[in-house]
Amino acid sequence: AQSVTQLGSHVSVSEGALVLLRCNYSSSVPPYLFWYVQYPNQGLQLLLKYTTGATLVKGINGFEAEFKKSETSFHLTKPSAHMSDAAEYFCAVRSYNTDKLIFGTGTRLQVFP
Amino acid sequence: DAGVTQSPTHLIKTRGQQVTLRCSPISGHKSVSWYQQVLGQGPQFIFQYYEKEERGRGNFPDRFSARQFPNYSSELNVNALLLGDSALYLCASSSGQGSDTQYFGPGTRLTVL
Repeated sequence: AQSVTQLGSHVSVSEGALVLLRCNYSSSVPPYLFWYVQYPNQGLQLLLKYTTGATLVKGINGFEAEFKKSETSFHLTKPSAHMSDAAEYFCAVRSYNTDKLIFGTGTRLQVFP
Repeated sequence: DAGVTQSPTHLIKTRGQQVTLRCSPISGHKSVSWYQQVLGQGPQFIFQYYEKEERGRGNFPDRFSARQFPNYSSELNVNALLLGDSALYLCASSSGQGSDTQYFGPGTRLTVL
């Protein structure tokens, strides 16, 4: 069985500060890992994904995440927060042979001026 | 190119009624998945259809059903609506192959009174 845990339902940072959103996963098979962002009253937009290969993955809007198998983690980071980054962020896992995504409960990011 | 489209955007029903939600995938995509997102939670997988066949089903009661048409569009039906069915229903499409990304539509907001 697969599962995702996102530590911290709310994260607040100042504009220009480092953003760190935590995600740990559980999977009995090599996982595919994803980060999606959701703005109010909208669907989900893919930020980045890890499937195979390089463990440091770069995504859109300056975000990146590192797959650490030994720690079963896939934390999302951005060096400098922007006001427009305020949104809900979801980490998700799936296995190679299905489209079924298993999501975490989400982390709401607030950015203060 | 058009992204994933869903209709209607909002819907209000009363308990016991039936509802049909519609999804059109990105052109060329043959896989459609449905997710339910209750307020404050991550999306939960309901169904996946690929080439008009059910490929996966989540832990939802038989009141939920879906189908995919020859043009790869899809409908999600929910019978005997309960208050707890109030949620954002998201549709996602992909090629259905390997590590391909799922792209989400804007969702249909269902309110059951």
